[in-house]
Amino acid sequence: AQSVAQPEDQVNVAEGNPLTVKCTYSVSGNPYLFWYVQYPNRGLQFLLKYITGDNLVKGSYGFEAEFNKSQTSFHLKKPSALVSDSALYFCAVRDFKAGGTSYGKLTFGQGTILTVHP
Amino acid sequence: NAGVTQTPKFQVLKTGQSMTLQCAQDMNHNSMYWYRQDPGMGLRLIYYSASEGTTDKGEVPNGYNVSRLNKREFSLRLESAAPSQTSVYFCATNVRGAYEQYFGPGTRLTVT
Repeated sequence: AQSVAQPEDQVNVAEGNPLTVKCTYSVSGNPYLFWYVQYPNRGLQFLLKYITGDNLVKGSYGFEAEFNKSQTSFHLKKPSALVSDSALYFCAVRDFKAGGTSYGKLTFGQGTILTVHP
Repeated sequence: NAGVTQTPKFQVLKTGQSMTLQCAQDMNHNSMYWYRQDPGMGLRLIYYSASEGTTDKGEVPNGYNVSRLNKREFSLRLESAAPSQTSVYFCATNVRGAYEQYFGPGTRLTVT
C-alpha cells in the first residue's frame, strides 16, 4: 500500500525567506509524486510533479521540489516566500508498477498550512 | 472552457435525507474521481471511474453510490445521509497517460 506523510501541520516563514514544506512517502514500486495547493474555499491546484528524470522539479509560481529516493522524500521549496503563498499544501503519491493500470489513484498527505508573515 | 464544475456549492441535509452531487468536465478526460476532505485527514478517495461505463470503490465508499453517466459527468449519491458524511467533496479528472489530476471547486455538505 502507498502512503504519504507531511510531518508538519503548520509552517511559518517570513516574507522573503526561503520556505520548505516536507513530505515523505512509502510505495512498493516507483513513486509518482505531486504537490497541490489549496486556497481557502477553493479546489486543489496542481503545482508540480516528479515522474522520472532530474531530481529537482520546477513548477508553478516559483515552487520547486527535490526528489530524494534514499530518504523517500519529496520536499517542496521556494527561494523567497510571498505573503500570497499562504495556503494549504498537499503532497500526493501514486505507486507505479510495471503492468499496472493507468487511471492513477492518488494518496494524499494530511496537508501543511503555510503561513507567510509580512 | 470551464474545466471541472460541481453542483451544488453548498448543501445542508437532515439525517436520513438523500441527495446527488453532480460533477461535469469539458476537458475530454477519461478518468474521474470523487474525494472527501476532512480536517487533518487530507483527501480520501470515495469512488473512481477509470473510463466511461466503469466505476470502482476507493478508500471510503460506504454510504455512497456513483454513476458515470457519460464521459463528461460523474455523480455521487448519498442515499441516507449521516452526520459522519459532513465534509467537503471534490471531483477530479485526469486524462489517460497523464498523471496529475484536476479538481473542481468542491461541494460543502453539512448533515445535521
